[in-house]
Amino acid sequence: DAGVTQSPTHLIKTRGQQVTLRCSPKSGHDTVSWYQQALGQGPQFIFQYYEEEERQRGNFPDRFSGHQFPNYSSELNVNALLLGDSALYLCASLKTGKVTQYFGPGTRLLVL
Amino acid sequence: KQEVTQIPAALSVPEGENLVLNCSFTDSAIYNLQWFRQDPGKGLTSLLLIQSSQREQTSGRLNASLDKSSGRSTLYIAASQPGDSATYLCAVNYQGGSEKLVFGKGTKLTVNP
Repeated sequence: DAGVTQSPTHLIKTRGQQVTLRCSPKSGHDTVSWYQQALGQGPQFIFQYYEEEERQRGNFPDRFSGHQFPNYSSELNVNALLLGDSALYLCASLKTGKVTQYFGPGTRLLVL
Repeated sequence: KQEVTQIPAALSVPEGENLVLNCSFTDSAIYNLQWFRQDPGKGLTSLLLIQSSQREQTSGRLNASLDKSSGRSTLYIAASQPGDSATYLCAVNYQGGSEKLVFGKGTKLTVNP
């Protein structure tokens, strides 16, 4: 049983560019959350998707947007990249009604 | 404001030592608390989850306790090994947060052979 998968593993972009990160949840899971982890910090909640809609959002600007597809996979889009967007982006999945979230390996984004 | 604090930020111990990592949270209205392990540059591995109605959970050499009234949790690691070296993160699922996890900054543990 494949766990949560994310792609790509690493990405380098320049300021002002746009980026799309992808996440496939663990089999049987229907809820996907995205987190940003800056170096030396704990992960910060970006948003959560369920039934293809954004259910909850953290304190992130509108430059951060997402999408969930009918197969429950999800994308995180970041527009107008800033140097401060450099971080490890983590995806977590959850089956509705259960409590344990499973995290993917993350995508390391570097903005130059 | 719902926050999570972890002390110490870093800890270095000799192999075989028993150790305790601390986590404190600001609001006792929680659904559960989870301890994760993170190896350098990697994702998070769930170690233990304690429901708000529970006082502790055990898995192998790990024991996590929860005291909601004082807003504290501890992760006890028995007979530490070099392979335990990693960053340990505490995360709280506050009520009304819809599975949103609030994380501490972690404790970086180094176990020396």
